[in-house]
Amino acid sequence: AQSVTQLDSQVPVFEEAPVELRCNYSSSVSVYLFWYVQYPNQGLQLLLKYLSGSTLVESINGFEAEFNKSQTSFHLRKPSVHISDTAEYFCAVSLDDKIIFGKGTRLHILP
Amino acid sequence: ETGVTQSPTHLIKTRGQQVTLRCSSQSGHNTVSWYQQALGQGPQFIFQYYREEENGRGNFPPRFSGLQFPNYSSELNVNALELDDSALYLCASSRGDGYEQYFGPGTRLTVT
Repeated sequence: AQSVTQLDSQVPVFEEAPVELRCNYSSSVSVYLFWYVQYPNQGLQLLLKYLSGSTLVESINGFEAEFNKSQTSFHLRKPSVHISDTAEYFCAVSLDDKIIFGKGTRLHILP
Repeated sequence: ETGVTQSPTHLIKTRGQQVTLRCSSQSGHNTVSWYQQALGQGPQFIFQYYREEENGRGNFPPRFSGLQFPNYSSELNVNALELDDSALYLCASSRGDGYEQYFGPGTRLTVT
């Protein structure tokens, strides 16, 4: 069975500091990988995705994630966070047209 | 291009009642998936509809049922509501391949 583990439930970080949100998955077959962001009282927005090709994928707002098949990881990084990045971040895998989500990591930006 | 919309935004029901939640898919999308997000948790897959047929189901009891209409909009029905059904219900639409799903803002259901 597929599963997604987000190792940190909360990550506090100072504004303009770098951040890494960790995600590991388990699957016996190839999967597609996603990061979704959920701002307070809103639905989910797709942040970035890995389907195939280059293992490093980037979003338009400065986030990037790297697919590491040997470590079954898909960690999310940003070199310098802004207060507007405060949100819940969900790592997810897609298999058989359904998405399996991790429990989420709350990114808390400190002034 | 219109995104995924859901109605109502909020809903309060009493234990034992029935509820219907609605979702309009994004233009050009023929697949709708429903998810339940309990407080502090990630979304859990309930089921998916493709061309008006159920196309996969998660670990939810039969009192969770759904429909998809010819215009690809969808309904989620929950019978005999329980307190644990209180959650944010998310609808997502996609094209037939389903790999990239676009989510609506959700319906917050509170069962008292």
